[in-house]
Amino acid sequence: QVKLQQSGAELVKPGASVKLSCKTSGYTFSTSYMSWFKQIPGQSIEWIGMIYAGDGGTGYNQKFKGKATLTVDTSSSTAYMDLSSLTTEDSAVYFCARMYYDGYPDYWGQGVMVTVSS
Amino acid sequence: DVLMTQTPVSLPVSLGGQVSISCRSSQSLVHSDGNTYLHWYLQKPGQSPQLLIYRVSNRFSGVPDRFSGSGSGTDFTLKISRVEPEDLGVYYCLQSTHFPNTFGAGTKLELK
Repeated sequence: QVKLQQSGAELVKPGASVKLSCKTSGYTFSTSYMSWFKQIPGQSIEWIGMIYAGDGGTGYNQKFKGKATLTVDTSSSTAYMDLSSLTTEDSAVYFCARMYYDGYPDYWGQGVMVTVSS
Repeated sequence: DVLMTQTPVSLPVSLGGQVSISCRSSQSLVHSDGNTYLHWYLQKPGQSPQLLIYRVSNRFSGVPDRFSGSGSGTDFTLKISRVEPEDLGVYYCLQSTHFPNTFGAGTKLELK
C-alpha cells in the first residue's frame, strides 16, 4: 500500500534553515509528482509547491518562492523540502502528499511540526 | 489566486443525520480540458487530510456511499448522510484547476 513517512518534529532558531523529508513506498516514485503543504494549527491548508520525481522539475506557489526548495532522491524514493531564513511565521505543520496524475493529492504523510523559536 | 468560500464554518449534527457543506469559488473551476478539479477532504484532529471526493463527484477508494459530491462551475456541495462518529472533523474543499491550488477555510462537523 502507498505510504508516506515524514521526518520528526523540528525546533529551529530564527534565521536558520531546516530540511524535511518524506520517504515513500508502495508505488513507483520515479514517475510521480509530490506536493508540499503548510498548515498553521487551527487554520486552513496552503499549497507550497510540487515536484516531478522523473526529472526534478518544480512549480511553486509564488508566496513560497525563495522560502521553500523541493528536491527528490529517486534512489531512496524520498522527497525533501528545504525551508530557509525561518521566522516565527514559518511555524506550522508541513505535509507531503502524492499527487495523483489527475492533479489532486490522494495520499498524505502524517505531517511534521516545525517550531521556529529562539 | 482563486478564493474558495466554504459555508457554514461550523455544522452541528446528530448522529444518523444528514448535512450539506457548500463550497463556492471566485472563478469557474472548469479546466480547458473540460474537467472540473474540485475535491473534498476530511481532516480529523491530529491527522493529515484524507481524500473523500475527487473531481466533484467521484468517491475515493474505501469512502462509503454516505458521502456524495455535486456541483458545477463555481458552486459545489458535499452531502453526508447517516452521519457516524468517524465523520466528525474539519472538511475542506480544494481546487486544482487554477495555479496555485487553493483550499477553502474549512467546515467543522461536530456533534450537537
